[in-house]
Amino acid sequence: ETGVTQTPRHLVMGMTNKKSLKCEQHLGHNAMYWYKQSAKKPLELMFVYSLEERVENNSVPSRFSPECPNSSHLFLHLHTLQPEDSALYLCASSPLDSNEQFFGPGTRLTVL
Amino acid sequence: AQSVTQLGSHVSVSEGALVLLRCNYSSSVPPYLFWYVQYPNQGLQLLLKYTSAATLVKGINGFEAEFKKSETSFHLTKPSAHMSDAAEYFCAVSRMDSSYKLIFGSGTRLLVRP
Repeated sequence: ETGVTQTPRHLVMGMTNKKSLKCEQHLGHNAMYWYKQSAKKPLELMFVYSLEERVENNSVPSRFSPECPNSSHLFLHLHTLQPEDSALYLCASSPLDSNEQFFGPGTRLTVL
Repeated sequence: AQSVTQLGSHVSVSEGALVLLRCNYSSSVPPYLFWYVQYPNQGLQLLLKYTSAATLVKGINGFEAEFKKSETSFHLTKPSAHMSDAAEYFCAVSRMDSSYKLIFGSGTRLLVRP
């Protein structure tokens, strides 16, 4: 695998479910990001991790919980989501000394 | 505060015609500027970036963009559109003194007519 991978690519869940999104980067980067992409809206930065420490949390509801166990892996734990949380969730990574971000293919999430 | 405005949520051109996608930015400090492309069911791919070197930046797939400070613009162009250029294009800005925060525009969907 090369670049940034995300699993699953598609996820359908009920509002009472608990699920996790996984992101893995094979680029040797030290910063990782979660974005939310909704129809007709700009990309929304959700979380940023730098050297496995969270450095940005953009007023994201607590039903989204990120985890960065090491510099190659990033998770987004989901619980009791709402239908308006349905979106494409994109993961990205970058070197610490650059703001050029490399994106994964995204997870298309549908909340019923 | 920084912001990005992309004029036109949809742009339609004929194959072989000039592509022009507009981006205007607002930044109180010197910016870095980026164009990303997103093909269906894929993530964002970097087309090109401006980092205060040459004002005319060449990217992949024949695209280029010119940084115009007086107009606070960073429009994306390609002399001749191909069918494969049909995608969504995002302009983004970041601060030179910030290592990670990108502010994205709302995107422009490029349609290429045969």
